[in-house]
Amino acid sequence: GAVVSQHPSRVICKSGTSVKIECRSLDFQATTMFWYRQFPKQSLMLMATSNEGSKATYEQGVEKDKFLINHASLTLSTLTVTSAHPEDSSFYICSARGWGGEGAFFGQGTRLTVV
Amino acid sequence: GESVGLHLPTLSVQEGDNSIINCAYSNSASDYFIWYKQESGKGPQFIIDIRSNMDKRQGQRVTVLLNKTVKHLSLQIAATQPGDSAVYFCAENGAAGNKLTFGGGTRVLVKP
Repeated sequence: GAVVSQHPSRVICKSGTSVKIECRSLDFQATTMFWYRQFPKQSLMLMATSNEGSKATYEQGVEKDKFLINHASLTLSTLTVTSAHPEDSSFYICSARGWGGEGAFFGQGTRLTVV
Repeated sequence: GESVGLHLPTLSVQEGDNSIINCAYSNSASDYFIWYKQESGKGPQFIIDIRSNMDKRQGQRVTVLLNKTVKHLSLQIAATQPGDSAVYFCAENGAAGNKLTFGGGTRVLVKP
């Protein structure tokens, strides 16, 4: 299957700081990228959908000013958690879909811990 | 609203036996379904997909069955191995664009 690389895999930051997570499609052009959040022993919760060159579409209840998403190219999307707080600690996962829309391949996930 | 749910939260299976994981979906307009495997601390791994114009699709040791009449999806794993221990999610691509809606997940535990 297609390869999606997410970085970093793990990050610890202090409250009030911002953290940027990168998601890259390595062997295909991702017209659409998705950002999910996952709490322990729970399913994936979609946060936002981003299409290359346009503003992200956020799901209801997700603060767009807190979770900044940029999809500047067909192979890169970033999620920035601004002014992080301990309650933002979670597992964040990106996924990407290509032109044909078949499949949605996921990155390795980023474990964010805010202290 | 749209939802994808699973019947069993945990499935224990003896090594070598077949596993069946079930999933119910509520959006009759969904036209594409995917099964994912997620190991602890990792992102979901694509296993197999199926379009709504099919009712069965086979991969290596896995088979996905789709019953549109009752809106039911299942994943069959043949000769389950210890490496199959993970959480399995079904996901549907419904009418709301190309985003996926995930089910709650089923944990599969393979006993040696």
